[in-house]
Amino acid sequence: NAGVMQNPRHLVRRRGQEARLRCSPMKGHSHVYWYRQLPEEGLKFMVYLQKENIIDESGMPKERFSAEFPKEGPSILRIQQVVRGDSAAYFCASSPKRTSGVQETQYFGPGTRLLVL
Amino acid sequence: DAKTTQPNSMESNEEEPVHLPCNHSTISGTDYIHWYRQLPSQGPEYVIHGLTSNVNNRMASLAIAEDRKSSTLILHRATLRDAAVYYCILRDGAQKLVFGQGTRLTINP
Repeated sequence: NAGVMQNPRHLVRRRGQEARLRCSPMKGHSHVYWYRQLPEEGLKFMVYLQKENIIDESGMPKERFSAEFPKEGPSILRIQQVVRGDSAAYFCASSPKRTSGVQETQYFGPGTRLLVL
Repeated sequence: DAKTTQPNSMESNEEEPVHLPCNHSTISGTDYIHWYRQLPSQGPEYVIHGLTSNVNNRMASLAIAEDRKSSTLILHRATLRDAAVYYCILRDGAQKLVFGQGTRLTINP
């Protein structure tokens, strides 16, 4: 059973360009989470999605950032008009369908390291 | 989200036990205690979790104080591959994980 897959692993963009980060959850998982880790800092939650629905986007910057998890295909984190401060590692995690009262483990991918020049 | 406090760093020797402490004095009755770790240049990895009773799995043990205001992650026999940042996280049923700064564990050969 393949783990969470993220691509690309490394992405270089110039200021003002768009960055698209992809995440394929583990087989059978319908919940996806995105986290960002700025250099020398801890991980910060960004957004939580289920298929075709955004459940919690409380950690998403108000502008330039968007996320989707379509019925078919990977989840996409999109950053428009990137700035140097967007340089970070972006991690995706997935978990199975939530069972009431159960704390589902999140399984993380290897991350995408975004560098904005 | 309830706050946890961990030492910034700890050091241990290979093949010796390691006890990683975590304080969570404001924990509520429904908060679970989760531990994740992040190896260098990798994504976080689930280690263990518990509510009130001590827990064991193939990776580690989790000892939870009787008043639940603190807990300790125990690696019984550390290897070089256990060198990582260890995060103690309280989960109240919310789906998101709230990471603190964690404890950077160094293992000496």
